[in-house]
Amino acid sequence: GGIITQTPKFLIGQEGQKLTLKCQQNFNHDTMYWYRQDSGKGLRLIYYSITENDLQKGDLSEGYDASREKKSSFSLTVTSAQKNEMAVFLCASSISLAGAETLYFGSGTRLTVL
Amino acid sequence: GDSVTQTEGQVALSEEDFLTIHCNYSASGYPALFWYVQYPGEGPQFLFRASRDKEKGSSRGFEATYDKGTTSFHLRKASVQESDSAVYYCALGDRGGSNAKLTFGKGTKLSVKS
Repeated sequence: GGIITQTPKFLIGQEGQKLTLKCQQNFNHDTMYWYRQDSGKGLRLIYYSITENDLQKGDLSEGYDASREKKSSFSLTVTSAQKNEMAVFLCASSISLAGAETLYFGSGTRLTVL
Repeated sequence: GDSVTQTEGQVALSEEDFLTIHCNYSASGYPALFWYVQYPGEGPQFLFRASRDKEKGSSRGFEATYDKGTTSFHLRKASVQESDSAVYYCALGDRGGSNAKLTFGKGTKLSVKS
């Protein structure tokens, strides 16, 4: 089995600050994802990557950047944190981008912006 | 676009009660259907999937049957336990396409009291 490790678990930022979230996986999966989870809204895709150095925008990419410098890691940057923003950011991976593959999730980074 | 509608909000049960969480979908093609479960403080975990009409998926005592006629994939368990308390997500995937099109419902929080 493998594991997805997200750091930090909790992130507190100030309005306008640039914040970076990190994700590591040891499944040796090609595809990685960043989702945003808001209460009552389900999971929404921010960015995904099908291989090292590849980046693809999801439905919610505005206000975010991503980076995939190694196959095992995928980072997400909030370019300018919004005041009173609260959400959980989930990293996931899958063997490939094929449409019926299982996603494996990390335990999330909980963001609070003061 | 594709969408998933599941039982809204919270479901509160006692141990040994029967559980049903409704999931209906709308899709232009012939999707794969998933259930994921998220325990407190963790990321979502794959529960099971079904890929064709009348196929039953099951895991850990939970089951759901793909019904193309009623566009449904309702989650059921005959006798819930306190340890089943979690948020359950129904999801719709593009079988012939990309996991980037995976669409999640808004989640249903199950609380089971002993």
